[in-house]
Amino acid sequence: AQSVSQHNHHVILSEAASLELGCNYSYGGTVNLFWYVQYPGQHLQLLLKYFSGDPLVKGIKGFEAEFIKSKFSFNLRKPSVQWSDTAEYFCAVNAGKLIFGTGTRLQVFP
Amino acid sequence: GAGVSQSPSNKVTEKGKDVELRCDPISGHTALYWYRQRLGQGLEFLIYFQGNSAPDKSGLPSDRFSAERTGESVSTLTIQRTQQEDSAVYLCASSLYGTDNQPQHFGDGTRLSIL
Repeated sequence: AQSVSQHNHHVILSEAASLELGCNYSYGGTVNLFWYVQYPGQHLQLLLKYFSGDPLVKGIKGFEAEFIKSKFSFNLRKPSVQWSDTAEYFCAVNAGKLIFGTGTRLQVFP
Repeated sequence: GAGVSQSPSNKVTEKGKDVELRCDPISGHTALYWYRQRLGQGLEFLIYFQGNSAPDKSGLPSDRFSAERTGESVSTLTIQRTQQEDSAVYLCASSLYGTDNQPQHFGDGTRLSIL
């Protein structure tokens, strides 16, 4: 069965630190991969997506993610986080239906 | 409307009562999805509509859960004889087409609390 694993459940960083959130999926077919973000008190919104082509995709607010097929991974990165990046981040794979990871709560302190 | 709208935003009810949750997708979006998010857990797929049909209802946890969509627009999720384990945030999402490469747009959710 398809699944998505996010190994970092809670990450605490200071502003300007670099961020990498892990995401691994299990699915044998063609994948469409997403990162969604949920800021406090707001609804889920799309951060970035990968369908095909360049495995390094850039999203909003300086985020990027790299699809590594051999590792079944789609890790999210940002070189320098800001306090406003405090949110919950969800990795998802679309294989007929959207399957989400359990989410990573990111707290950034000034 | 500009986004996916869900109502009510909060619902508190007694165990055993029926509840109905509503979702208004983005106008023109043919695909509609329901998810559940329990406290401290990820999103759990419930059901997917393409138009008014539900080709995938594999995520509905029991026969107490049902959903319908009419006019290729509004959808209602009904939970009968609610149980405490039904307490969760119920999220609705829509996308232009129900294909795998379409991002889904989410509503704010309905927070359901069963006493």
